[in-house]
Amino acid sequence: DTEVTQTPKHLVMGMTNKKSLKCEQHMGHRAMYWYKQKAKKPPELMFVYSYEKLSINESVPSRFSPECPNSSLLNLHLHALQPEDSALYLCASSQDVVGGYGYTFGSGTRLTVV
Amino acid sequence: QQQVKQSPQSLIVQKGGISIINCAYENTAFDYFPWYQQFPGKGPALLIAIRPDVSEKKEGRFTISFNKSAKQFSLHIMDSQPGDSATYFCAASMKGGGNKLTFGTGTQLKVEL
Repeated sequence: DTEVTQTPKHLVMGMTNKKSLKCEQHMGHRAMYWYKQKAKKPPELMFVYSYEKLSINESVPSRFSPECPNSSLLNLHLHALQPEDSALYLCASSQDVVGGYGYTFGSGTRLTVV
Repeated sequence: QQQVKQSPQSLIVQKGGISIINCAYENTAFDYFPWYQQFPGKGPALLIAIRPDVSEKKEGRFTISFNKSAKQFSLHIMDSQPGDSATYFCAASMKGGGNKLTFGTGTQLKVEL
């Protein structure tokens, strides 16, 4: 299995809702990432997990809460989002966080906040 | 110093032609330079990558040229096909940086028949 699977593919949520994005990989990768991508822009790093521990938080607002239950799963919990948080949320994995490993990205969750 | 500058922003190439996308960086600590291809509605996919101890790497129709002294690298797509129409991102990462990728701004490539 060489894929990163993200669910759901599309999500519409109100500003008072709580929702979660899920990401799964079975490649044995020990690093997992959340990126946010706005239209016609490059992906922006949000969080890095290394061996199931949060290693980088790029000053992301607390309304985004990541969780890594095990080495194959990564969640992003969403609460009280703003319309400007609407974007494509990408999960990725790599063999390690030591530099020089390419990422495998999922297809993303298209999030719309209304 | 963390930036990776990418050009052009958009590119139109005839089928069978060569597509060339350029990137430049400032941070000499970068030591891994991948290129990603992204189709609409999909996540980026790793296309090809290079390290600074190599000046060129070729995989099929895709070639990375790397100029360490100029701090520049480029992607060449030979015999461009309509199926290559996508957005291309260059990126860079460094040792000890958590494998964090710094992306270029992207190039939208369209290959016309």
